[in-house]
Amino acid sequence: AAGVIQSPRHLIKEKRETATLKCYPIPRHDTVYWYQQGPGQDPQFLISFYEKMQSDKGSIPDRFSAQQFSDYHSELNMSSLELGDSALYFCASSSKNNNEQFFGPGTRLTVL
Amino acid sequence: RKEVEQDPGPFNVPEGATVAFNCTYSNSASQSFFWYRQDCRKEPKLLMSVYSSGNEDGRFTAQLNRASQYISLLIRDSKLSDSATYLCVVNMDTDKLIFGTGTRLQVFP
Repeated sequence: AAGVIQSPRHLIKEKRETATLKCYPIPRHDTVYWYQQGPGQDPQFLISFYEKMQSDKGSIPDRFSAQQFSDYHSELNMSSLELGDSALYFCASSSKNNNEQFFGPGTRLTVL
Repeated sequence: RKEVEQDPGPFNVPEGATVAFNCTYSNSASQSFFWYRQDCRKEPKLLMSVYSSGNEDGRFTAQLNRASQYISLLIRDSKLSDSATYLCVVNMDTDKLIFGTGTRLQVFP
């Protein structure tokens, strides 16, 4: 079965640079979620989108923004990167009438 | 105090053993409950949703006690491939999943 696709899988950036992470949800899923997982931490909810509109917001820094496009894929834009942004970034998707979230393989971001 | 608490383990058990994990959550408004498993440096994978009536999927059985705000996962006939971190997850009818810190299971031959 098709799963959530994320790209890139690995990304290395310098401090103060920008990064864009992409997420392609499972076909026919209309809701995407972004999570950040630091080393030794549990995943923390950042933001979610349903039908291209922001649905819920968690602990997302102001330096980050995200959007969902008409084909339901989503992008997480991160600016003025800091060392503390180094983490695994997961995207998950679901259909709105089923709250089970399925996670993609993640993007490992390293900020040097 | 974390919203979802789990014993971090590790639980070291031989193949074929039965092992049980427990989890407590602090917010009585929690609506949905899940168990995920996560292998090292991989994504969380949904193991099962947890319902008030309890549910079973093969060797895995999950129970929910809303009155005590307690969730459990029982794994029977443990396999080597069950070695992973098991995450207890709750949701309060928002988009945000709230994760416990996980319980590590190591199954040895």
